[in-house]
Parts: sequence; C-alpha cells; structure tokens
Amino acid sequence: NAGVTQTPKFQVLKTGQSMTLQCAQDMNHEYMSWYRQDPGMGLRLIHYSVGAGITDQGEVPNGYNVSRSTTEDFPLRLLSAAPSQTSVYFCASSPGTGPLTYEQYFGPGTRLTVT
Amino acid sequence: DAKTTQPPSMDCAEGRAANLPCNHSTISGNEYVYWYRQIHSQGPQYIIHGLKNNETNEMASLIITEDRKSSTLILPHATLRDTAVYYCIVFYDNTDKLIFGTGTRLQVFP
Repeated sequence: NAGVTQTPKFQVLKTGQSMTLQCAQDMNHEYMSWYRQDPGMGLRLIHYSVGAGITDQGEVPNGYNVSRSTTEDFPLRLLSAAPSQTSVYFCASSPGTGPLTYEQYFGPGTRLTVT
Repeated sequence: DAKTTQPPSMDCAEGRAANLPCNHSTISGNEYVYWYRQIHSQGPQYIIHGLKNNETNEMASLIITEDRKSSTLILPHATLRDTAVYYCIVFYDNTDKLIFGTGTRLQVFP
C-alpha cells in the first residue's frame, strides 16, 4: 500500500490564483481530513469527511472547499489564494469514525507559498 | 479552551527514558487519550492510545492515572530519532474531529 499520497509536494501561487491540492489513500479508509500547519505552529483542522459524499468543516474552513466523490480521494480547493494561506497542508485518513478517527495516517504534506 | 496541557519543551539524554506528561483534568469516562508525534517537517505519526488501563506497544508505553486526569507517555530508551513534537489529544466530543494542541517539543541529546 502507498498509504496517503499528496500532490504536489511544493507549489507557489500568486494572490488570487486557484488550485487544488490532491489527496488519495489506498487503504479503503472511510474518514479523511485536511490540516494546515503554519511555520512554528500546531496543526489546525480545515475540513473532514466521514465517508463518500459527506464533508464537514473543521476549525479553519474559510477560503477552502472540499468534496468527496470517492472513498479514495479528498481534494482541497483554494478558490482565490491569499498570502495568509501560505502553509504546509497535510491530508490524513483513518479506518472509521468515533475513537477510530483518532488513529490517523498522515500524508507527507504539500508546501504552499502564496505571493 | 485548552483540552490538554503539556510542557512546551523537554530534554532527554540518548538511551534514557523520556517521560512526557499530559494533564487532562476535565476528561470524562468514555474519553480516550491519544498520543501522536511529528518529526520535523513530516506528517504526524500515531503512537498509542488508552482509556483507563496502561498500554504498551513497540513504540511507547502510556500510563494513565487512576483518576484519569493526567497521563504520561514513556519512550523507554530514547534515541536521537525520537526528537520531535509530541501531542497529547483527548477524544472529548463525539464530533469526529481530531484537534491538535501545541504539544511538547522533545529534544534528545547525545
């Protein structure tokens, strides 16, 4: 298994541009989530999904959209990038919900810079 | 409000046990304690979790006090590769949200 994969690894955007960060997992996990981590800070939950067709907001959802059309994929869309969205973005998945949510597998991250 | 309280940083000599404390004074009966770590610039890694009893796996041991208001993660023989930020997380609400705090930065020195 490849686990959780994220593309791209690095990205530079100009203010106002849009892009999609890709996340895929091959473990047939129901639960997927997106976090951002600003330099020197902890992780903050952006959006999460408990299964295909179901998404919900986390701590910092503004400026980001998600959808979950398949179990495997959970893309994160930035509609109009802002410098405040410069961060490292991590995708994660876990086998289920409730306490199983907390045994999450994280991807390697996407480092995004918005100029 | 902070759900858990951890010291911001700790040091440990290589080969010695690293004992990382966590306070979770408002924990209730069915809430689990989870530990993750994040090695520099990598995604977080699940370590261990527990409810009431002490737990051990190949990475670490988790000691939870009888009143469950605090816990300690023990790395029995710390190595330089254990240098990381360690996060203690309590599964407070059944909201399916894994919320990280600020963690403890553990520095293992030779």
